[in-house]
Amino acid sequence: DVQLVESGGGLAKPGGSLRLSCAASGFLFTSYGMNWVRQAPGRGLEWVSGITRNSKNIHYADSVRGRFTISRDNAKDSLYLQMDSLRAEDTAVYYCARDWGFGEIYMDVWGKGTTVTVSS
Amino acid sequence: DIQMTQSPSTLSASVGDRITITCRASQSLNTWLAWYQQKPGKAPDLLIYKTSTLETGVPSRFSGSGSGTQFTLTISNLQPDDFATYYCQQYNSYPLTFGGGTKVEIK
Repeated sequence: DVQLVESGGGLAKPGGSLRLSCAASGFLFTSYGMNWVRQAPGRGLEWVSGITRNSKNIHYADSVRGRFTISRDNAKDSLYLQMDSLRAEDTAVYYCARDWGFGEIYMDVWGKGTTVTVSS
Repeated sequence: DIQMTQSPSTLSASVGDRITITCRASQSLNTWLAWYQQKPGKAPDLLIYKTSTLETGVPSRFSGSGSGTQFTLTISNLQPDDFATYYCQQYNSYPLTFGGGTKVEIK
């Protein structure tokens, strides 16, 4: 089965750091772009960051640029999100999701999400 | 950044109804628009991409249309499983952006 499984969420203090991971299985990881999308409690979806299949192109939302870093390890079929200088407004469920790339940046497979809470 | 405005934010309907959700973009998307369904506590599911192409396994009562800046998601013969929140998403340019969501409730 095609699957994405996020991990690494938890409680962090404002100004702190967390590293999220997303393990992919059931498909050829190197053939797809990958993204992080988050959802604050009771709110809508917010795209956070995306990375192309070969890591050549990386994009961020303005709200996280300079604080978050997306990366992938194709040898390990894994996606990562390094989150630094965390703020209360980063509190959300974080989903990883794959896209088709080549301009077709819609997300057809999603993980179940991992919860990040930023609070003192 | 491209702003996506969905309407209505909440829609009350009955089983068997035909409903339409609208998504308006602040600039032209050509046809680079997707629709997702999300149920409480679950990840979103892709319904439609490239404005009108149904994802594999999505029932044919779902349909999408539009171009440029105005898009619609239509659900005909609403079923109990369709009560959920729906989001549009543009992928014409980065940053990718979602609409604010439309919650479809049981009347």
